[in-house]
Amino acid sequence: GNSVTQMEGPVTLSEEAFLTINCTYTATGYPSLFWYVQYPGEGLQLLLKATKADDKGSNKGFEATYRKETTSFHLEKGSVQVSDSAVYFCALSDRNNFNKFYFGSGTKLNVKP
Amino acid sequence: GAVVSQHPSWVICKSGTSVKIECRSLDFQATTMFWYRQFPKQSLMLMATSNEGSKATYEQGVEKDKFLINHASLTLSTLTVTSAHPEDSSFYICSARESGALTEAFFGQGTRLTVV
Repeated sequence: GNSVTQMEGPVTLSEEAFLTINCTYTATGYPSLFWYVQYPGEGLQLLLKATKADDKGSNKGFEATYRKETTSFHLEKGSVQVSDSAVYFCALSDRNNFNKFYFGSGTKLNVKP
Repeated sequence: GAVVSQHPSWVICKSGTSVKIECRSLDFQATTMFWYRQFPKQSLMLMATSNEGSKATYEQGVEKDKFLINHASLTLSTLTVTSAHPEDSSFYICSARESGALTEAFFGQGTRLTVV
C-alpha cells in the first residue's frame, strides 16, 4: 500500500540554522511527492513538489529531491527564519488510485529569533 | 495557483443539529474533491472522495450516513455533519484538483467545527 513516514517533531531551531525534515514513503506505483505547509488555524499550502525520480522541487529557499533508490523526499532549507514556523506535511499522490493523497503525520517547526 | 474556498471558517453548533460545510473551486473546474479531517496535532485523515454527479466514495471506518457529501456541480462540494456530537468536533479540510490534471491538489482554508 501507500504510506508516508516523516520525522516526529517538534523541531526547534534558531534563526539562520539549517533545516532537514526527513520523509520516506512506500508506494505501489510511481507516485508524485509533495511538501505542504500549514500555518496555525489555516489550511494547507503547497510548498514544493516532484513528479518523478531525481526531480528536485524548490520554493522559498526550501528544497527536496525525489530519491527512488532510498524512497525518500527530505525537506531542506539552508537558513530558516522565524516566519518558517509552521507544520510541514510530506505527502504522496497515487495516480493509480484516483489521485488520492497520503499524508505523513506532520512535523512542527519552531524557529526562535 | 488555483483557489479553493471553504465556508464557513469556523462554526459552533449544538449537539444533535446538522452542519453544512461548503467547498468551492473558484477559478477552475474540479471533477473530484476530497474531504479530510484533522485531529489536534495529527495529520489529515481522508474521509471521502467526492465525484461530481455521482455518489461519494468513503474511506473505511467513515460513516456515510453521518457525513453526507454532495458534489452537485464542477465547482461545489458540500459536507454535512448530521446529528453532530462533541466527538465530531474537528478541523475539516477539502481539496480539489482540476479536471483531468495530474497535478497537486489545492486546499481550502479549513473549517473548525465545535459541537457543544
